[in-house]
Amino acid sequence: AQTVTQSQPEMSVQEAETVTLSCTYDTSESDYYLFWYKQPPSRQMILVIRQEAYKQQNATENRFSVNFQKAAKSFSLKISDSQLGDAAMYFCASQGGSEKLVFGKGTKLTVNP
Amino acid sequence: DSGVTQTPKHLITATGQRVTLRCSPRSGDLSVYWYQQSLDQGLQFLIQYYNGEERAKGNILERFSAQQFPDLHSELNLSSLELGDSALYFCASSANPGLAGYSSYNEQFFGPGTRLTVL
Repeated sequence: AQTVTQSQPEMSVQEAETVTLSCTYDTSESDYYLFWYKQPPSRQMILVIRQEAYKQQNATENRFSVNFQKAAKSFSLKISDSQLGDAAMYFCASQGGSEKLVFGKGTKLTVNP
Repeated sequence: DSGVTQTPKHLITATGQRVTLRCSPRSGDLSVYWYQQSLDQGLQFLIQYYNGEERAKGNILERFSAQQFPDLHSELNLSSLELGDSALYFCASSANPGLAGYSSYNEQFFGPGTRLTVL
């Protein structure tokens, strides 16, 4: 079974600063994918970034990057140059062979002007 | 816009009633997934259909059922509704899945969700 844990229910950051959201996971599968989803107040689920477990290189997407520590089963999201539009719930998720997404409880990110 | 549509956007009903949520996947996507987002349970996978057949089942209650039709749209039926069924129900779709037991990347595109309120 897969589990995903986000230990920070809420985080805040000043506009233009950098923030890191934490995520740990557990899986018995050797091949899997990890994701960060953003859910703004509109409730739409938006894929922010993904990481293939077999890739050692950390994924980056513009201002978003991850720190993937496979041995520690850690998958944190770093948001650089935070913008007001980054304020949202962020969900960490894993996907293995069963294809279903397993989500963490989420971290609410507030961006202060 | 993900290309996945869900109707209705909002649904308010009473305990004991039955409702049907509808999902149309992106053009060409064969897989449909249903997820439930509630305050208590967070985001949970309910069920997956692939090309009309049930492919995987998660924490779906016996009072809930789903199906995928030949035109690939899917419906989630919720019956004998309870207060605790109030939640946001998401549908997601993806292209062909990989071989069973082998993970392959298939991005799931989420619809806007249906907000169900049971009074």
